Amino acid sequence: ETGVTQSPTHLIKTRGQQVTLRCSSQSGHNTVSWYQQALGQGPQFIFQYYREEENGRGNFPPRFSGLQFPNSSSELNVNALELDDSALYLCASSSQTGEQFFGPGTRLTVL
Amino acid sequence: DAKTTQPTSMDCAEGRAANLPCNHSTISGNEYVYWYRQIHSQGPQYIIHGLKNNETNEMASLIITEDRKSSTLILPHATLRDTAVYYCIADHSGAGSYQLTFGKGTKLSVIP
Repeated sequence: ETGVTQSPTHLIKTRGQQVTLRCSSQSGHNTVSWYQQALGQGPQFIFQYYREEENGRGNFPPRFSGLQFPNSSSELNVNALELDDSALYLCASSSQTGEQFFGPGTRLTVL
Repeated sequence: DAKTTQPTSMDCAEGRAANLPCNHSTISGNEYVYWYRQIHSQGPQYIIHGLKNNETNEMASLIITEDRKSSTLILPHATLRDTAVYYCIADHSGAGSYQLTFGKGTKLSVIP
């Protein structure tokens, strides 16, 4: 158990819809990162938030957006869903020494 | 971040040491070597990291070559619960970037 929780566990959406995924960080961590993991691949970095500001972004289009709240919880929003957005979405909070603590992920299926 | 190369898969007998190699020949002086593992359908789990010196914790040992171009993760007494995909990552995260670049990792199967 890492102390990082994500909701929902599973989600099914149709193409063109919008989705919001949620993450609750480990206590005391103020940096949160989001990753997308397609089947059979390693996680790919989407973006990172530090003290409520975006602090780095991977190679993902603007329809992937996020928020971080004062309590360090976070949301990932994806607009105009595409079939290729089907994946496991992982949230990770970071300690001062660099280790990232991952949540169990949200499995998104786009039909 | 430096690219890492790992074997696609490995087997290890239960109770024996599992030695997982990683090549990172283009690693820069301020990049750390991180190891994570991912058990099926769970989030990745941090194992260990190091810069130059060998490191040991309750989970594993990390041996980094003197030229830092390769490293080995050692699980001293592998159990069935160690069956997972193991990721080796060369990253600046120790300096605060927190943006990990995962490859495909090594799928370790621990055999009874």
